[in-house]
Amino acid sequence: SAVISQKPSRDICQRGTSLTIQCQVDSQVTMMFWYRQQPGQSLTLIATANQGSEATYESGFVIDKFPISRPNLTFSTLTVSNMSPEDSSIYLCSVEGRETDTQYFGPGTRLTVL
Amino acid sequence: GQQVMQIPQYQHVQEGEDFTTYCNSSTTLSNIQWYKQRPGGHPVFLIQLVKSGEVKKQKRLTFQFGEAKKNSSLHITATQTTDVGTYFCAGVSGAGSYQLTFGKGTKLSVIP
Repeated sequence: SAVISQKPSRDICQRGTSLTIQCQVDSQVTMMFWYRQQPGQSLTLIATANQGSEATYESGFVIDKFPISRPNLTFSTLTVSNMSPEDSSIYLCSVEGRETDTQYFGPGTRLTVL
Repeated sequence: GQQVMQIPQYQHVQEGEDFTTYCNSSTTLSNIQWYKQRPGGHPVFLIQLVKSGEVKKQKRLTFQFGEAKKNSSLHITATQTTDVGTYFCAGVSGAGSYQLTFGKGTKLSVIP
């Protein structure tokens, strides 16, 4: 399975600031995804990060708030912009798994906004 | 849109007891997957079920996919403390879409 790393692993930020989360994979992958998991909750897909084109956002998520970059097949970033306490969550990147439709998840970034 | 309901939300069992979590989709699924998230960890892929009525086993874990491909279950026999975590099902409507709809998860606690 792919080895996925995320930076930072956790951060505490002030409201109104922005944080960029990095996701690095040890092999080239076509599909990369960004999820949000609020405390004690399930996973919600934010967007699919497409290499060479704009990300595809799910309903309720917009590019101005969560800009995403995908410069190559092993790397992506998610920025959480103009943060508020409601953005406190775990942010996870994932990549396509060995079997169609399955996914491998990174270790996550635990974000706290004060 | 597609919804995946999962019950129960929490389950506390004595070590050695069995455990079952159930998922039900509002639409017919192409496949369903199960993930386990340990406390403080990230979701880890367990298994994928594709065929109607499919049953798969992994040691003490038994996974079933309903005949109508709208429901699924995960059964753990003789739970151990290592089984602690949250179990999520995730449904896929369009094969090859990689669009997972996660259930809310069942948090399993095992009392030694």
